[in-house]
Amino acid sequence: KQEVTQIPAALSVPEGENLVLNCSFTDSAIYNLQWFRQDPGKGLTSLLLIQSSQREQTSGRLNASLDKSSGRSTLYIAASQPGDSATYLCAVRTTGANNLFFGTGTRLTVIP
Amino acid sequence: DTGVSQDPRHKITKRGQNVTFRCDPISEHNRLYWYRQTLGQGPEFLTYFQNEAQLEKSRLLSDRFSAERPKGSFSTLEIQRTEQGDSAMYLCASSGTVETQYFGPGTRLLVL
Repeated sequence: KQEVTQIPAALSVPEGENLVLNCSFTDSAIYNLQWFRQDPGKGLTSLLLIQSSQREQTSGRLNASLDKSSGRSTLYIAASQPGDSATYLCAVRTTGANNLFFGTGTRLTVIP
Repeated sequence: DTGVSQDPRHKITKRGQNVTFRCDPISEHNRLYWYRQTLGQGPEFLTYFQNEAQLEKSRLLSDRFSAERPKGSFSTLEIQRTEQGDSAMYLCASSGTVETQYFGPGTRLLVL
């Protein structure tokens, strides 16, 4: 069974700082990997999706990378803002499966 | 709003009662997923539909849970004889030809 781990569980940074969130997964036979944002008590907002054949994806201040062989992905957030404060979830779709396996998330606080 | 919608947003019920949740996916999406999320955890997969066919069910989906998607559009998730352990956020997601799963706002269930 695919297991997804996110470290750290929580992170506080001052506004303007660049930061990296980490995600690791145990089964490298993945179909794709998605990063989501979740605000307290709310649903999930998709940020980026990386196909297994891709190395990275970018959207605005966000950049996600994928290294299948080592079972790792990172989400890079540039010039962080207080509005970036949320929980960030990494989810993996394994080859042959339709569902996503989620990590427990990293709770990010950006301090003004 | 053309996103995924869920109803109700909140439900409080007494142990032993039956509850039903509804999910309306993005209109052109043929794939629909149900997940459950407890506090501090990532979402866990419950079941998957492609059009009206229920193709996958997680071991988490006990006999008390049933899901339907009668016409390949909206879906319902029913929990019979609710237990306190059923208290969670129930999330619905949909996807189409693009792989990204788009999530609804969730239904928060509290079983007293």
